[in-house]
Amino acid sequence: DVKVTQSSRYLVKRTGEKVFLECVQDMDHENMFWYRQDPGLGLRLIYFSYDVKMKEKGDIPEGYSVSREKKERFSLILESASTNQTSMYLCASSLLGTANQPQHFGDGTRLSIL
Amino acid sequence: GENVEQHPSTLSVQEGDSAVIKCTYSDSASNYFPWYKQELGKGPQLIIDIRSNVGEKKDQRIAVTLNKTAKHFSLHITETQPEDSAVYFCATPFYNQGGKLIFGQGTELSVKP
Repeated sequence: DVKVTQSSRYLVKRTGEKVFLECVQDMDHENMFWYRQDPGLGLRLIYFSYDVKMKEKGDIPEGYSVSREKKERFSLILESASTNQTSMYLCASSLLGTANQPQHFGDGTRLSIL
Repeated sequence: GENVEQHPSTLSVQEGDSAVIKCTYSDSASNYFPWYKQELGKGPQLIIDIRSNVGEKKDQRIAVTLNKTAKHFSLHITETQPEDSAVYFCATPFYNQGGKLIFGQGTELSVKP
């Protein structure tokens, strides 16, 4: 089974802090994704990556950046956290190809910015 | 822009009844239609998917039907059980947006014993 592991289940940070969310997958998937999930808004794509050191903006990239130094690891960075970034963050991975590949999700990080 | 509309947003059924959730999409090039189940405190899990070359796919109590002409696809759960209670999401890729998966808003299903 594919396993996508997010380093923290719950995280509390302060406004203005730099925040790192880490995600690791064990199935040698080329594609990795970061989403945020908010009530009534479903899942919204922040950034994705098709290869090491490669990144593409999703629908809501403002205030975020990403890093993919190794194939199995994809990090989401909040450069200067703000209260409107309080949310559930989900990482996913899939095989290379078009979007016709199933995405496999981690269990999420619930981030609170105070 | 392109989107996926999912209905209903909440659904309550008695144990043993059937549940149907419907999604409508706008990109006629879409050809992959997954459904995800998200239990409390967990990430979404793929439960079934269908590609555009078939009209229906079944896996035990779960089935997905696709109507490409009308651009909608539906999740059917028969003989519902309390453990089916969860939030369900549909999704489909939009090729004029680089093939990204676009998710529906989710349906909260509650199965009452």
